[in-house]
Amino acid sequence: EVQLVESGGVVVQSGGSLRLACAASGFTFDAFSMHWVRQAPGKGLEWVSLINKYGDKTYYADSVKGRFTISRDNSKNSLYLQMNNLRTEDTGLYYCTKEEITSGWNTFDSWGQGTLVTVSS
Amino acid sequence: SSELTQDPAVSVALGQSVSITCQGDSLRTFYASWYQKKPGQAPVLVIYTKNNRPSGIPDRFSGSRSGNTASLTITGAQAEDEADYYCNSRDSSGNHVVFGGGTKLTVL
Repeated sequence: EVQLVESGGVVVQSGGSLRLACAASGFTFDAFSMHWVRQAPGKGLEWVSLINKYGDKTYYADSVKGRFTISRDNSKNSLYLQMNNLRTEDTGLYYCTKEEITSGWNTFDSWGQGTLVTVSS
Repeated sequence: SSELTQDPAVSVALGQSVSITCQGDSLRTFYASWYQKKPGQAPVLVIYTKNNRPSGIPDRFSGSRSGNTASLTITGAQAEDEADYYCNSRDSSGNHVVFGGGTKLTVL
């Protein structure tokens, strides 16, 4: 059974930094691209970032580019999101998601339960 | 603002059929995927690519595309289908993923 368990979400001040982690199990982690998706309180889903299975290609939403860095450690079956220069609008529930292997970038067939990031002013 | 447009809310009588639409130029090139999101729960993939359902998704869920519009159809809606539904796709540049704003489905 695929399991994705996020951690690292806390309350942080505006301008601060945070590192989220996602522990993956139940599948061959290094065979899949992985994404972060977030949901602000009362708002819709927003794609944040993608990393390919090798970890050498990364992509970011314009809203986080230059501030967030996605990475992975395939030896530890782990995905990360380094978040710098945080803004109040970064507040939300951050989900780690696994990309479905046949259909391309936008199909996320497994999701974690999310970790809550709160950025205070 | 989202490059994929969804109606904010749709309602359906129990047992009837309903379609939720998603509009955007990128849908002429890329297929949409659809997700069901209930409060306090993680999103669940219900339809992807042309009209594929993951294991465990009831066959009352189906997907289609015409031009720049993707549709999710629930044939014979059940009370447990009441949720927010989101479409997503790659954006027009192909280098990002974009979600629609979501549709709140109410089953009456």
